[in-house]
Formats: sequence, structure tokens, C-alpha cells
Amino acid sequence: SQTIHQWPATLVQPVGSPLSLECTVEGTSNPNLYWYRQAAGRGLQLLFYSVGIGQISSEVPQNLSASRPQDRQFILSSKKLLLSDSGFYLCAWIQGLHPPFSSYGYTFGSGTRLTVV
Amino acid sequence: KNQVEQSPQSLIILEGKNCTLQCNYTVSPFSNLRWYKQDTGRGPVSLTIMTFSENTKSNGRYTATLDADTKQSSLHITASQLSDSASYICVVRSSGTYKYIFGTGTRLKVLA
Repeated sequence: SQTIHQWPATLVQPVGSPLSLECTVEGTSNPNLYWYRQAAGRGLQLLFYSVGIGQISSEVPQNLSASRPQDRQFILSSKKLLLSDSGFYLCAWIQGLHPPFSSYGYTFGSGTRLTVV
Repeated sequence: KNQVEQSPQSLIILEGKNCTLQCNYTVSPFSNLRWYKQDTGRGPVSLTIMTFSENTKSNGRYTATLDADTKQSSLHITASQLSDSASYICVVRSSGTYKYIFGTGTRLKVLA
């Protein structure tokens, strides 16, 4: 069965420090991978998505970057964190194969609560 | 502009009561709509998916409806339980894209 792992679960980092959040998927190949951020009381905001190794699409200009060094690994990074980077970060995957693509939905990781102090 | 709006923002009900959550969308062209349940501090979990041709779909005590003409969906929870306390998120996918449009969710609290 397919599983998605995301870590760490919680993180407290000082302003200006670097960030690395990792997400891995098991039990599938060629998944589409996504990073979302959820601010308190807000909806999920798509940050990045990737349809293959080395292929990253950024949805909003920001202080963050993403990389996909392996098929089932997706990393969210920052060189210098800002206070506004605080939030709940979710990794998600969806089957990358084609039709019936429309029937597939996200599977989310358990999330990382990031607090920048 | 593709948008998904949910109402109410929050809802408090007593255990055993029924409730209905609303989702209105302007996403076009429409592919499918999913309802997710998100417990506090956890990732969302899919409850049900609705495609263009489906009007009603049930998953236990959860029943989702879709009116593709008016672009509205509802999630009805029957005989609510304390464990139903969570945020419920409506997500709509547009055909031919990898992008999904998320509603801001309805926060449901079930009281004993």
C-alpha cells in the first residue's frame, strides 16, 4: 500500500536560520508531489508541485524553495526563515499515471508545524 | 477566477444532531470535487469524491451532494459524534490541470 512520510512533526526555528522539510512516498512510482502551507484559520495554499525528478513548479513568490532529488522524495527548503514562514506545512501526493486521472485525489502527509521565533 | 467558498466558517452542534456544510465553486472546466476531513494538527483525509455525473454519494454517516448546474455541493453529517469535530474542506479540480482549488473549510465542533 502507498504511504507518505513527512518529518519533522514540529519545528521551532529562529529567524534567519535555514529550513529543510522532507517528504517521501512509498509504494508507488512517478507520483505528483505537492507542498502546501496552511496558516492558522486559513485554507491550504499551494507552494510547489512536481511532476517528476528535478521538475519543480512554484505557485507563489516566496522565501522558500523545493527540490525533488529522487522520484519519491520532495524537499522544502529555505536559506533564511522569516517570521511569516510560520505555519502548518503539508506534503501530498497523487498518482502520476494518466486516465482515469480525474478519479485520483490527494493523499496528505501528517504535516509539520513550523514556528519561526 | 477559480474559487471555492465554504459556509458556514464554523459550526457548533450537539452530539446526535445532523448538520449540512456548503461548498460553492466557480472552477471551470470542472473535473471533480472532494470533501476532506482534517483533524487539528493532522493532514486532511478524503471522505468522498464527486464527478460531474454524480449527484449523491454516501460514506457512512457522510453524504455528499453535487449540483453541477448551480456549482454547489453539500456535505451532510447524520447523527453527529464527538469524533466528527474537525475542519471539513471542499476541494475542486479543474480538468486538464495538476492544480486543485481548496476552500477555506468549515470548522465543526460537536458538543456532548
